[in-house]
Amino acid sequence: NAGVMQNPRHLVRRRGQEARLRCSPMKGHSHVYWYRQLPEEGLKFMVYLQKENIIDESGMPKERFSAEFPKEGPSILRIQQVVRGDSAAYFCASSPASGWRETQYFGPGTRLLVL
Amino acid sequence: AQKVTQAQTEISVVEKEDVTLDCVYETRDTTYYLFWYKQPPSGELVFLIRRNSFDEQNEISGRYSWNFQKSTSSFNFTITASQVVDSAVYFCALSENYGGSQGNLIFGKGTKLSVKP
Repeated sequence: NAGVMQNPRHLVRRRGQEARLRCSPMKGHSHVYWYRQLPEEGLKFMVYLQKENIIDESGMPKERFSAEFPKEGPSILRIQQVVRGDSAAYFCASSPASGWRETQYFGPGTRLLVL
Repeated sequence: AQKVTQAQTEISVVEKEDVTLDCVYETRDTTYYLFWYKQPPSGELVFLIRRNSFDEQNEISGRYSWNFQKSTSSFNFTITASQVVDSAVYFCALSENYGGSQGNLIFGKGTKLSVKP
């Protein structure tokens, strides 16, 4: 019974390159959340998606960041033209249903390092 | 304004000591959920507990116990007879319906617990 899967676990990019982070939710879960953890900080919400829909992107930076959760395949968080400040751990979580009552189960995270 | 405060940045104890991690929250909602997650050195986030705002009963799970007090807006976490494997960063989080929130968790900054043998 696999948990939330994220890949890659570690990603190194040079400034200006693109980063693509993937998340496969737990089996039976159709709701995905992305969070960012900066060094020595707690996690900050970025975006909440259901299949083919963005429900809440209030925590997503307005430029360079985008997210999708297609009908088939994993959810993707894309960061274009990365800068050093994007270096962080990016966590994906999933839940079986929508809303604030649900428990979110987290993946192992992707550690992005921008050189 | 910070909504979840974990005032203890780091705590160090010796094995077998009891330790309490504090969490104070702020919400304008009457119905909300509180969570604790553990982040061991390996980096993943492990769900520990979810508590509904209407249920103020304390909860015990093995060496772990949680004390929820609405009157003081606190949801503290106690580890009894700590072990080295308890060494981790522990996060408290809040989920509220205020403003039509869709379920994003609001995390505290975490408390790093080191248990020494």
